[in-house]
Amino acid sequence: EAGVVQSPRYKIIEKKQPVAFWCNPISGHNTLYWYLQNLGQGPELLIRYENEEAVDDSQLPKDRFSAERLKGVDSTLKIQPAELGDSAVYLCASSSRGIGNNEQFFGPGTRLTVL
Amino acid sequence: SQQGEEDPQALSIQEGENATMNCSYKTSINNLQWYRQNSGRGLVHLILIRSNEREKHSGRLRVTLDTSKKSSSLLITASRAADTASYFCATDARTDKLIFGTGTRLQVFP
Repeated sequence: EAGVVQSPRYKIIEKKQPVAFWCNPISGHNTLYWYLQNLGQGPELLIRYENEEAVDDSQLPKDRFSAERLKGVDSTLKIQPAELGDSAVYLCASSSRGIGNNEQFFGPGTRLTVL
Repeated sequence: SQQGEEDPQALSIQEGENATMNCSYKTSINNLQWYRQNSGRGLVHLILIRSNEREKHSGRLRVTLDTSKKSSSLLITASRAADTASYFCATDARTDKLIFGTGTRLQVFP
């Protein structure tokens, strides 16, 4: 079974440029998460989708970040314009709904460097 | 915001020794999970313990949960060099939303 796929793995851009990350969750997983992980810290949730609906985007900086999950499968996270402080690893995860068990499966992440 | 804090922040041991790391959290939870992250890679789920459970085993892993103290511990027995990684606890506070701790960086020397 294929895991969560993310691309690109690495991205280097200059500040004020736009950037987009793509995620393909595990087949059949209708819950998708985007996390931000700063160096030496644990992941922090940016947005959670149930199918195509964003059910928790309270931590998403909406002035520059946007996300979409068309058709409830793949998802894209965009930053426009990027700032120096956005340098981090962006992780995508997916899970299947199950009462009392929300084990999440993570992709390898996209390491963003903003110069 | 980080819900949990792991202790210690870093741990170095020799192969064959046991490694214990602790996690404290702040709010009531539905379950607590432990994840491992190898350098430069995504997180891998290790074990989930529900709020009504006190201890759980999986292979060389033993997890305990004390909801009265809002704390959990992860014990790795007979450690191997391949166990070198960062370990994170994550709590589900009944919202289907995991909040991760700050992590313990474990180094196992051959």
